[in-house]
Amino acid sequence: DAGVIQSPRHEVTEMGQEVTLRCKPISGHNSLFWYRQTMMRGLELLIYFNNNVPIDDSGMPEDRFSAKMPNASFSTLKIQPSEPRDSAVYFCASSFTGYNEQFFGPGTRLTVL
Amino acid sequence: QQPVQSPQAVILREGEDAVINCSSSKALYSVHWYRQKHGEAPVFLMILLKGGEQMRHEKISASFNEKKQQSSLYLTASQLSYSGTYFCGTEPSGTYKYIFGTGTRLKVLA
Repeated sequence: DAGVIQSPRHEVTEMGQEVTLRCKPISGHNSLFWYRQTMMRGLELLIYFNNNVPIDDSGMPEDRFSAKMPNASFSTLKIQPSEPRDSAVYFCASSFTGYNEQFFGPGTRLTVL
Repeated sequence: QQPVQSPQAVILREGEDAVINCSSSKALYSVHWYRQKHGEAPVFLMILLKGGEQMRHEKISASFNEKKQQSSLYLTASQLSYSGTYFCGTEPSGTYKYIFGTGTRLKVLA
């Protein structure tokens, strides 16, 4: 298996632009997590899906952030409009169940100028 | 709510041992441990469940004290490959919502 796939790996954009991050979880996994990592705040859980349904989005910082999982093999995290404080590494992770080990993707390094 | 890890950083010589602690203010159902190398994604080491046994991963072991809401990671006879940042991920009972700790930077010197 190729593991969790994320795209793009790097994104540089200007303040106010829309950013869409993509994730393909490991086949057969039914739990998907989006995290944000910064030096100041560490690794933060943004949203958690189980069987394509958002279970907990309390970590989503504000309405500018939205996430979807239209099917078991694809998820997106969208930021609109983006701001410089959104600059971070965004990880997607999947697991067989909510309790099992999480497999992290390589991450998307987002820079908002 | 973020679990607190200690120490924040530690430097070891190859072959030395280290202990990393993770403390939560909430009752826990499970704890995950991950290691992240610079510029890479976190990699799973082990999971400890409430009422479960102490776990091992190669020469790394961990314990979970439910009453104290703490977990500890024990690195024995450290190797250069152990260098990285270690995170605990704590899950309050039944939520599936893992909150990651502040991280412990570990560097092993030859």
